[in-house]
Amino acid sequence: GAVVSQHPSRVICKSGTSVKIECRSLDFQATTMFWYRQFPKQSLMLMATSNEGSKATYEQGVEKDKFLINHASLTLSTLTVTSAHPEDSSFYICSARDGSPRLSGAVGYGYTFGSGTRLTVV
Amino acid sequence: DAKTTQPPSMDCAEGRAANLPCNHSTISGNEYVYWYRQIHSQGPQYIIHGLKNNETNEMASLIITEDRKSSTLILPHATLRDTAVYYCIVRVSGGGSNYKLTFGKGTLLTVNP
Repeated sequence: GAVVSQHPSRVICKSGTSVKIECRSLDFQATTMFWYRQFPKQSLMLMATSNEGSKATYEQGVEKDKFLINHASLTLSTLTVTSAHPEDSSFYICSARDGSPRLSGAVGYGYTFGSGTRLTVV
Repeated sequence: DAKTTQPPSMDCAEGRAANLPCNHSTISGNEYVYWYRQIHSQGPQYIIHGLKNNETNEMASLIITEDRKSSTLILPHATLRDTAVYYCIVRVSGGGSNYKLTFGKGTLLTVNP
């Protein structure tokens, strides 16, 4: 089935620095990718939707200048947390929607999630 | 998308069936019911989805009431590895490539030995 690889799985950075998280679709082309954030004991909160070759669409309350999203190819989207602060410490998860016709008959399979990135800002 | 209501937590004995309920009383005719689960510190995993008919796959069964206002996810023989947060999500099928999944609080299922 569809596989999404997310890297790194864990990262610790100093306050004020930037961190890049990569999300790759390994065996399919992902026309759309989603970025979520999850705080401890809370549900996933959608941050933004990115489409290959166009600007990302951010959810209300998410700072687009702080969370830079690039979706330059059909297999790679990146999330850069700029000028990170301790309150940005969280679990970041990407999801890819498979645009391949082979999955059109099973829509649920069209959303595959990465394994997540645990970001700690110190 | 229609809102869903799930119990915050449930317990189940290992080897027994786990029945997880979900209410979606405002579901529209073109909205599907999806179930995902999230094991601690991992990304969500797709389980099953359905529109109005009951569905079964290698992981679980999905029972949707005739009026579609509620559904039940059934794990027939729960194991310790099934301990996770289970999310019930309703959304339209297709709807364009930008269509997103919105997660509620889910049900924490704890399978006990």
